[in-house]
Amino acid sequence: AQTVTQSQPEMSVQEAETVTLSCTYDTSESDYYLFWYKQPPSRQMILVIRQEAYKQQNATENRFSVNFQKAAKSFSLKISDSQLGDAAMYFCAYRNQAGTALIFGKGTTLSVSS
Amino acid sequence: SQTIHQWPATLVQPVGSPLSLECTVEGTSNPNLYWYRQAAGRGLQLLFYSVGIGQISSEVPQNLSASRPQDRQFILSSKKLLLSDSGFYLCAWIAKVGAGPNEQFFGPGTRLTVL
Repeated sequence: AQTVTQSQPEMSVQEAETVTLSCTYDTSESDYYLFWYKQPPSRQMILVIRQEAYKQQNATENRFSVNFQKAAKSFSLKISDSQLGDAAMYFCAYRNQAGTALIFGKGTTLSVSS
Repeated sequence: SQTIHQWPATLVQPVGSPLSLECTVEGTSNPNLYWYRQAAGRGLQLLFYSVGIGQISSEVPQNLSASRPQDRQFILSSKKLLLSDSGFYLCAWIAKVGAGPNEQFFGPGTRLTVL
């Protein structure tokens, strides 16, 4: 069975600085999708970024980028120029190509200080 | 545009009482629907998913059940709540898979406290 591990329960960063959140996963599949979701205090889940495993190029969305290492089964999220509004819980998630649901890690709580 | 609704937003129930949480989706048809539970300090645990009316798959054995009486309606139920059923329940939908890394959209959630 596939599993997703986020080894950092909490992280902190100062405004304008860069922070990287770690995620590793375990799968025997070759084609799959990876996601980072953000859950702010409102608890609304918001998609931050997604990556298709067959694409070697790392996905980027404005200040958010990923470091996807397929062989190492690693999918880290880098937040550049951190803002107060980035404070939230971040979840890494996996879905295989034919999958019907996301498998989530336990999340990393990110705090941002001014 | 598509929207997803959940109600109630907050619920406090005594142990042993029944439960019914409702989720509806607007602006799409024939979606896959999901129920997740988020307990304190844990990630999202998939409880049920449905690929069509009357089709329910259970991921975790428990005293909860789900039903999909209409295409865009998904209901989570219990006959007798346990203390361990407390948590934050999220409904989600996704367009039928097979078209790439489709985004899964989440509802606003229901906070359930069982006393």
